[in-house]
Amino acid sequence: GAGVSQSPSNKVTEKGKDVELRCDPISGHTALYWYRQRLGQGLEFLIYFQGNSAPDKSGLPSDRFSAERTGESVSTLTIQRTQQEDSAVYLCASSLDQRGVPFFGPGTRLTVL
Amino acid sequence: EDKVVQSPLSLVVHEGDTVTLNCSYEVTNFRSLLWYKQEKKAPTFLFMLTSSGIEKKSGRLSSILDKKELFSILNITATQTGDSAIYLCAVSRTYKYIFGTGTRLKVLA
Repeated sequence: GAGVSQSPSNKVTEKGKDVELRCDPISGHTALYWYRQRLGQGLEFLIYFQGNSAPDKSGLPSDRFSAERTGESVSTLTIQRTQQEDSAVYLCASSLDQRGVPFFGPGTRLTVL
Repeated sequence: EDKVVQSPLSLVVHEGDTVTLNCSYEVTNFRSLLWYKQEKKAPTFLFMLTSSGIEKKSGRLSSILDKKELFSILNITATQTGDSAIYLCAVSRTYKYIFGTGTRLKVLA
């Protein structure tokens, strides 16, 4: 497919466990974003990648959150020691460059019990 | 602090009605304003606006930006049940997009 893909689509975990969320951006897109959307809320910026580097991590809510991107392609968002307040839909988007329109993936719905 | 405010928060209309959704912003180093439609999880892109007064149009949807008064509107004419969704406005400063909380539109048959 030509769009942004994310996996898993749904993840249910127990409080305290670690989770990894994956994003495959559109091929050739150098910019990649992670957003979080809590129920009934807008999109909350988490992190921005330009190529493999992350010049802006300012949105990561705590040191339990980390993200990496390899080969200007796949990105992984890791949440350690999950808490119930981490429950949300995590959306990934990519754009051709920092000026381009971000196109979103279908998201991962994370539920922490 | 940068902010994007959308109104109304929710709206219920009947098929055939025309709706106007509002987005106002206070963002330093404004670059562009985007509108998205979110039906389930993934927001889908509708319009990108960078210049004041130039209307963007796609079928029954249109949008315009006023950079002096710092707002944009999204119009939907002859609404259909398939227009039911959350409409999100996002404003970019450099690479970063700041989203409003959205307007939830429900179109009744």
